[in-house]
Amino acid sequence: QQKVQQSPESLSVPEGGMASLNCTSSDRNFQYFWWYRQHSGEGPKALMSIFSDGDKKEGRFTAHLNKASLHVSLHIRDSQPSDSALYFCAASEHNNNAGAKLTFGGGTRLTVRP
Amino acid sequence: DAGVTQTPRHEVAEKGQTIILKCEPVSGHNDLFWYRQTKIQGLELLSYFRSKSLMEDGGAFKDRFKAEMLNSSFSTLKIQPTEPKDSAVYLCASRPGQGYAETLYFGSGTRLTVL
Repeated sequence: QQKVQQSPESLSVPEGGMASLNCTSSDRNFQYFWWYRQHSGEGPKALMSIFSDGDKKEGRFTAHLNKASLHVSLHIRDSQPSDSALYFCAASEHNNNAGAKLTFGGGTRLTVRP
Repeated sequence: DAGVTQTPRHEVAEKGQTIILKCEPVSGHNDLFWYRQTKIQGLELLSYFRSKSLMEDGGAFKDRFKAEMLNSSFSTLKIQPTEPKDSAVYLCASRPGQGYAETLYFGSGTRLTVL
């Protein structure tokens, strides 16, 4: 079983609508979480990070973390066609010595319909 | 500052050939990663370097895949010999490597097609 699981696999929302993406981890050692976005033909780019329980808002994007349930979500309000992309959830442990590697989820394909 | 640079963007190889993919990390970054991306498997870690030392070599990819950091600003990924199942996008990423919880910066990737 993948340590980081994302749902849904694909999502279609109308322009101006709200998109909600989910991510659940099975490893309680994970403490740090990121959302990455990948447009076609490009590498993934970090969208936002969240390390503490609760909400973190950056513009139209809000991430929510619940460490007790190991659940992270990303909500995109007022979705734009340019938000159409593959979204990855990523998690890492705390490791001061070697540097913790990121574990990625399988991704959610978001399509925003004009 | 320049981001992560990967060359070539596209590579076509015949089965059995040796190919070398190149990566220049963000200047000053100490951590460098190679990932393979496919629709079925998603993002798979191939190698992880910290300050040019190999920290992880991706287990299942050991036999035909070899990543090297010749210096702090250049890395290569050699696949020898190539097989059709190696067709994928190969991504290089770097991060400062000064602490924990650092964001990864990815290159645009190399799309490899093995015939």
